[in-house]
Amino acid sequence: DADVTQTPRNRITKTGKRIMLECSQTKGHDRMYWYRQDPGLGLRLIYYSFDVKDINKGEISDGYSVSRQAQAKFSLSLESAIPNQTALYFCATSDSRQGTSSGANVLTFGAGSRLTVL
Amino acid sequence: QKEVEQDPGPLSVPEGAIVSLNCTYSNSAFQYFMWYRQYSRKGPELLMYTYSSGNKEDGRFTAQVDKSSKYISLFIRDSQPSDSATYLCAMTGSSNTGKLIFGQGTTLQVKP
Repeated sequence: DADVTQTPRNRITKTGKRIMLECSQTKGHDRMYWYRQDPGLGLRLIYYSFDVKDINKGEISDGYSVSRQAQAKFSLSLESAIPNQTALYFCATSDSRQGTSSGANVLTFGAGSRLTVL
Repeated sequence: QKEVEQDPGPLSVPEGAIVSLNCTYSNSAFQYFMWYRQYSRKGPELLMYTYSSGNKEDGRFTAQVDKSSKYISLFIRDSQPSDSATYLCAMTGSSNTGKLIFGQGTTLQVKP
């Protein structure tokens, strides 16, 4: 089984609909992140969480919300989807206990959720 | 201007060639530098990780960081068709936040 699992893998929806993307992990990492990937723009951070009671906005949080239901679960919601939210969404995790020599700040990514908003 | 610039390519090389992938950045506070490889329809996976300046080698892959020029490179020796993927550079500052700034990614194709 994958260490970081995202559901759904593909979703087509209509403008104005509410969408939730879910992420669960078995790595035991305390930190979780949501990124979106667009052609020519790379990956951009939407939200991140350092533990269950910690939620922080990233670079492009407008139009999105998140929920950290447990250490292993982090979901991303689009309350009212719009076409420019069509993108590939990635959940990632990291372990704050890793030292700099062994890979501090290293992210483990899920396989991605492709969202199309018509 | 983006904090991290990376030529998106595509870059096409014959099998066995030496590949050079590069990123430039503007934020002198960046201390951690990473290269991720992303195959089609997959998530990025860590390839190389470097702290501060210098070189790091792992098999056919060498990562170089030149902080004075704000320039990082990834070299792939004896490139193989299985190296065909998108390569993303990523970096972050001295605090251990895990918040990475990514380049746009370079698409590489290695032809048999």
